[in-house]
Amino acid sequence: QVQLQESGPGLVKPSETLSLTCAVSGGSISGYYWSWIRQPPGKGLEWIGYIYYSGNTNYNPSLKSRVTISVDTSKNQFSLKLSSVTAADTAVYYCARAATSEYDYEYWGQGTLVIVSS
Amino acid sequence: DIQMTQSPSSLSASVGDRVTITCRASQSISSFLNWYQQKPGKAPKLLIYAASTLQGGVPSRFSGSGSGTDFTLTISSLQPEDFATYYCQQSYGAPGTFGGGTKVEIK
Repeated sequence: QVQLQESGPGLVKPSETLSLTCAVSGGSISGYYWSWIRQPPGKGLEWIGYIYYSGNTNYNPSLKSRVTISVDTSKNQFSLKLSSVTAADTAVYYCARAATSEYDYEYWGQGTLVIVSS
Repeated sequence: DIQMTQSPSSLSASVGDRVTITCRASQSISSFLNWYQQKPGKAPKLLIYAASTLQGGVPSRFSGSGSGTDFTLTISSLQPEDFATYYCQQSYGAPGTFGGGTKVEIK
């Protein structure tokens, strides 16, 4: 059974960079699209971007200037960096693996709450 | 970006009721439409992909239909474990936008 686990600081200061890692277990990172999705408290889901195991990426245009997603196949993990954060970036951040396309998320991490505050 | 609009934003229903949730895309997305169920404090769960294909392990009381711009998720007989928030998501192209969600509450 594929499992995903997010990790990273739960508190980030405004203007700094949010960094999260998603560790994948129970399966290989190869051959799939891996995404980050976030959900502000009490609100809906927002797609941040994806990375293919080969390194190809696609980002939400609304966040593109601040987002970097990378993959480390040797460690079976992928990462998210979001720069110049503000309070609006406070959210639960999920990592997910797509099933048959880039966007049908079959496996999800449990989510990690990141609060942006000084 | 393709906008996804769900309706209603919330509904109250009883166990055994038939429930229908609609999702409209701002442009044609063919059948590139997914449905998710999310319970409080949990990650979303994929129910249906490609508009009408049931994800493995999902009960058959869930069904999806539609193509182009208009889609529906139907729960044929609502069960206690179905009370949750449901999201549609277009998988036609980036960004993979989600609808605003429909909260299904107990009547």
